[in-house]
Amino acid sequence: QVQLQQWGAGLLKPSETLSLTCAVYGGPFSGYYWSWIRQSPGKGLEWIGEINHSGFANYNPSLKSRVTMSVDTSKNQFSLKVSSVTTADTAVYYCASTWIAANWFDPWGQGTPVTVSS
Amino acid sequence: EVVLTQSPATLSLSPGERATLSCRASQSVNSYLAWYQHKPGQAPRLLIFDASNRATDIPARFSGSGSGTDFSLTISSLEPEDFAVYYCQQRGDWPITFGQGTRLEIK
Repeated sequence: QVQLQQWGAGLLKPSETLSLTCAVYGGPFSGYYWSWIRQSPGKGLEWIGEINHSGFANYNPSLKSRVTMSVDTSKNQFSLKVSSVTTADTAVYYCASTWIAANWFDPWGQGTPVTVSS
Repeated sequence: EVVLTQSPATLSLSPGERATLSCRASQSVNSYLAWYQHKPGQAPRLLIFDASNRATDIPARFSGSGSGTDFSLTISSLEPEDFAVYYCQQRGDWPITFGQGTRLEIK
């Protein structure tokens, strides 16, 4: 059964780069899309993008210019970078998995709160 | 982008009552719709996938229906642990989007 464990810096200043990593345990790294999703305070869920084991990525157009995702297949890990953060990027960030032929997210990581403040 | 509109925004019910939550898509997403339960401090939990299929270990009191643009999640008899925020999510069109959520609160 796949489990996701995520980590990363929780406090950033405006203009810095957000960096998070998610490790995949208990299942294959290939055959899935690995996503990042966030929830800003008082708001709903926003899909940021996804990447597969080959490094093929799809990004939400709303964030595409600032987002980079990558994979490390030797460690079964995938990562998110968001450049030039502002206070609007303050959110809880989740990693999540989608089986290649599926249309839903399961499971999810535990979430990482990220605050952007000067 | 497909906009998912959930209604009502807040639903106040008592344990034992029936809850019906709605999710309407701005264009057809076929049956590529999922429902999640989200409690504070926890990761969202998949309840329903492809509109009407219960996820593993989800109690039978949860059911989903609909296709195209109109979907619903029904909880047949509310248990105390069911009070949470519920989100719908579509992958029928790009990019993947979520509804704004329905808060199910104890009356």
